[in-house]
Amino acid sequence: AQSVTQLGSHVSVSEGALVLLRCNYSSSVPPYLFWYVQYPNQGLQLLLKYTTGATLVKGINGFEAEFKKSETSFHLTKPSAHMSDAAEYFCAVQDNFNKFYFGSGTKLNVKP
Amino acid sequence: NAGVTQTPKFQVLKTGQSMTLQCAQDMNHNSMYWYRQDPGMGLRLIYYSASEGTTDKGEVPNGYNVSRLNKREFSLRLESAAPSQTSVYFCASSEALRGTYGYTFGSGTRLTVV
Repeated sequence: AQSVTQLGSHVSVSEGALVLLRCNYSSSVPPYLFWYVQYPNQGLQLLLKYTTGATLVKGINGFEAEFKKSETSFHLTKPSAHMSDAAEYFCAVQDNFNKFYFGSGTKLNVKP
Repeated sequence: NAGVTQTPKFQVLKTGQSMTLQCAQDMNHNSMYWYRQDPGMGLRLIYYSASEGTTDKGEVPNGYNVSRLNKREFSLRLESAAPSQTSVYFCASSEALRGTYGYTFGSGTRLTVV
């Protein structure tokens, strides 16, 4: 079974600073990779996904993520944090057996 | 608005009571899923339905049953609720089991078992 590790259950950045949320997965076979965002009392919304092709993926709200096979990583970044980015972010992996695995989540706090 | 609708949004049950969580999607998706979300554990798959007429166990199926009533609806039943089932439950759907378009999630059901 896959495992998805998100380093840091809580990340705090200042408004305008770089956002970096880390995600590593366990498979040696490139899976499909996703980032989801969850605002308080809401369901999860898809931010971006990697399936095939270009390893740098751009998503909504200025977020992007880079798939690095050699590092089995799919870190999420945004150059300049906005207050509205405060939420919980989940990395997810879909393996070749059509199963989804979610990380435990990282709560992003943006300080004014 | 198109999407995934879950009912109820909140529920409090006593230990041993039963209830059914309802989920409906209007996007003509083939696959549907039930997850539970617990603090620090992310989302864990309870059951899923790859297509109408099929259901399969996920990571944590014990204590739950599901019914794929038709293409639109996928319900989750707790036959005898236990405090360990206190959680937030999310229903999701995707075009296909190989959800390369990702999932569309409902807004969740917050269940407390006392």
